Amino acid sequence: KAGVTQTPRYLIKTRGQQVTLSCSPISGHRSVSWYQQTPGQGLQFLFEYFSETQRNKGNFPGRFSGRQFSNSRSEMNVSTLELGDSALYLCASSLVPGNYGYTFGSGTRLTVV
Amino acid sequence: GNSVTQMEGPVTLSEEAFLTINCTYTATGYPSLFWYVQYPGEGLQLLLKATKADDKGSNKGFEATYRKETTSFHLEKGSVQVSDSAVYFCALILSNTGNQFYFGTGTSLTVIP
Repeated sequence: KAGVTQTPRYLIKTRGQQVTLSCSPISGHRSVSWYQQTPGQGLQFLFEYFSETQRNKGNFPGRFSGRQFSNSRSEMNVSTLELGDSALYLCASSLVPGNYGYTFGSGTRLTVV
Repeated sequence: GNSVTQMEGPVTLSEEAFLTINCTYTATGYPSLFWYVQYPGEGLQLLLKATKADDKGSNKGFEATYRKETTSFHLEKGSVQVSDSAVYFCALILSNTGNQFYFGTGTSLTVIP
């Protein structure tokens, strides 16, 4: 079966712009989580969605937002981009929250210039 | 709070050498513990996991035992191969924190022929 698909794989944006990243979970998985990976801060939790509802949110500013659609696909949006938002953004899906069979996607590499 | 402390890298080993990567954790409850591996340009792949004390996770020759008394989950492999070169992340997850992963900083392993 297909894995977790994240699009696009690479993205270059300018400071002040906004960006939308997409994550398609494994078929049947209804929980989607997002993580930011940077050399300085490592892997940090952004948010988790289940049944189109945000269930948990990490310690990120309001510029970071997300949503989940009825088909479980999820998007995250970052507005007013800053240089420090340059990172690998990883999405993980699982059947339901609390089921620890998480599968990660290959990520979207965002570069802000 | 919840956190994971991993052995600093990078680690360089000769092929067939014994590998240990230390991982200790702090958790406000009873976590499940994981080792993930990341190859260059890729997302995270689950290597092994353990969900309760004294459980041993194992996969592809790697193993780790959940030690509650020492709050540790050290990764070991008896004979490493060049193909094991990657970054290894120790992580915990707690259901009472909304199912978010807490990751260590990662340990880079390079195996030379």
